[in-house]
Amino acid sequence: EPEVTQTPSHQVTQMGQEVILRCVPISNHLYFYWYRQILGQKVEFLVSFYNNEISEKSEIFDDQFSVERPDGSNFTLKIRSTKLEDSAMYFCASSDPDTHTNEKLFFGSGTQLSVL
Amino acid sequence: GQQLNQSPQSMFIQEGEDVSMNCTSSSIFNTWLWYKQDPGEGPVLLIALYKAGELTSNGRLTAQFGITRKDSFLNISASIPSDVGIYFCAGQLENRDDKIIFGKGTRLHILP
Repeated sequence: EPEVTQTPSHQVTQMGQEVILRCVPISNHLYFYWYRQILGQKVEFLVSFYNNEISEKSEIFDDQFSVERPDGSNFTLKIRSTKLEDSAMYFCASSDPDTHTNEKLFFGSGTQLSVL
Repeated sequence: GQQLNQSPQSMFIQEGEDVSMNCTSSSIFNTWLWYKQDPGEGPVLLIALYKAGELTSNGRLTAQFGITRKDSFLNISASIPSDVGIYFCAGQLENRDDKIIFGKGTRLHILP
């Protein structure tokens, strides 16, 4: 069964460093998303991406964040200068372009980011 | 901002019992989704609902899209140990923003 894959599974970084989280969405999906989950809390929307541009972003997704689809398969989240409060599990998700299924998000297993 | 109120926050039940959890909002939703998250994993879609009043089952799971479009519930019948995990409701708002927002989750514990 096709799945969303994320690498690395764990990332430890120093405060102020740049990190890039990588995702390979399901191949025929056209909508891509990043969410994050701080330990023990709910899953929070960061950004959605469609047709090579951001379609929506939350207030969390400030100038320190950027997303890119550098080729036909990868979807990346970059945090330019990490802060302690960026420590969280980051989930990539993708969805199918069909009318009734573009709301169904399929999630990867996440990247646990720890900022020291 | 938009918010989903999910309850209960946690549940402790005996194996074999039925479970019910729900989500409410002051906003109208086009879509309601129920996800389950196991430790260290991403959320996995259980049930998707698209129309007010819709009642959908997936094995022992049943979910309904409320008539007012502002709420949804999930029932699990005859719970088993592998039902343990965190259940999230999620939804897409009426204005069809390109995002799905999540409730805070219901953590299900099953006592032996």
